[in-house]
Amino acid sequence: QSALTQPASVSGSPGQSITISCTGTSSDIGDYNYVSWYQQHPVKAPKLMIYDVSNRPSGVSNRFSGSKSGNTASLTISGLQTEDEADYYCSSYTSSSAQVFGTGTKVTVL
Amino acid sequence: QMQLVQSGAEVTKPGASVKVSCKASANTFTSYYVHWVRQAPGQGLEWMGIINPSGGSTSFSQKFKGRVTMTRDTSTSTIYMELSSLTSEDTAVYYCARVTATRAFDIWGHGTMVTVSS
Repeated sequence: QSALTQPASVSGSPGQSITISCTGTSSDIGDYNYVSWYQQHPVKAPKLMIYDVSNRPSGVSNRFSGSKSGNTASLTISGLQTEDEADYYCSSYTSSSAQVFGTGTKVTVL
Repeated sequence: QMQLVQSGAEVTKPGASVKVSCKASANTFTSYYVHWVRQAPGQGLEWMGIINPSGGSTSFSQKFKGRVTMTRDTSTSTIYMELSSLTSEDTAVYYCARVTATRAFDIWGHGTMVTVSS
């Protein structure tokens, strides 16, 4: 199972919106709505930000939103803030009953 | 809320095995599947496998089959992950994570650093 493909880096100024893409195949993202997104700050454990493509856990800012079209999922961060600077990973359930993560995207707030 | 507390850092030699533990704080231990995920220095997240704490059934990434074992002790609410035939490429932070019914990792352990060095 190959990793899902994400851009290596995305940047934006405070207050702007950015979108991170996550491309998989018809055996993972394309076949299931079990797509989740994680935020990871340096030397910290990942934190769940989005589950089931577009749902936010309690306590996660509504500036974070998710969507999916075909084999590609997306995470949008609106009203970018300095604390959003982190690495972001997508994940999907797969047809072989496994999980796969994305390659990771470093978000920089300019 | 449930917490996952992992064992401390390990330094081990090539060819050896390492066993990492993950203790759940709540008595809902058997209600959620637990996954193991690792992250090599400067690299991304890599899924290793899953264990059902209730029955003990497991499923592993093809990459680790034959080299990884996952077990549980229901009396202490602890999950164990053992990786054998270690090489320097196994140097990584190893995380346990609880998964919801929709396969989202909602609670993570703090991570255990495993260093493989001669």
